Amino acid sequence: GAVVSQHPSWVICKSGTSVKIECRSLDFQATTMFWYRQFPKQSLMLMATSNEGSKATYEQGVEKDKFLINHASLTLSTLTVTSAHPEDSSFYICSATRLQGPTDTQYFGPGTRLTVL
Amino acid sequence: KQEVTQIPAALSVPEGENLVLNCSFTDSAIYNLQWFRQDPGKGLTSLLLIQSSQREQTSGRLNASLDKSSGRSTLYIAASQPGDSATYLCAVGYTNAGKSTFGDGTTLTVKP
Repeated sequence: GAVVSQHPSWVICKSGTSVKIECRSLDFQATTMFWYRQFPKQSLMLMATSNEGSKATYEQGVEKDKFLINHASLTLSTLTVTSAHPEDSSFYICSATRLQGPTDTQYFGPGTRLTVL
Repeated sequence: KQEVTQIPAALSVPEGENLVLNCSFTDSAIYNLQWFRQDPGKGLTSLLLIQSSQREQTSGRLNASLDKSSGRSTLYIAASQPGDSATYLCAVGYTNAGKSTFGDGTTLTVKP
């Protein structure tokens, strides 16, 4: 089956640094990927839609200058958390849609746990 | 805006019981609905995907149903086991590009 990977799986960084998270679709091409964030004991909230070859679309309340998204190829999207602060500590999950006509399926990555000290 | 609600928020049952988890959504114009399992500190494991044209899907001891007109989906787990203990999330896909709205989840504990 289709697989989506994320790297790194966890990261600890100091406040003020930037962290890059990669999302890759391993055996299919994805023109659209999504980034979600999950705070402890809460559900997943969509942050942004990553579009290959164009700018990302951010959900209301998500700072586009803080969460930089680049969809450089049909198999790779990156999320960079710039000048990270402790409140950015969260579980970040990406997903990619495999287009299969009427049975499009969204595949989720394993997630990246970010801890900002 | 699509809102997804899962009831109950938490459920504790003895091993062997059959149980039902509920998911309701406000906008019936959905593309698909997916049930996931999430273990503590882990990512998502897809359990069942129901397209909007389907009424149910089955996988092993799991059966998911979809009633778009009433805005409801249920996940039925037969003969529950301690290994089923996890948080179960439903996600409603409301475009064909894969955008989804998640419920808050039901945390299931199956006691041996």
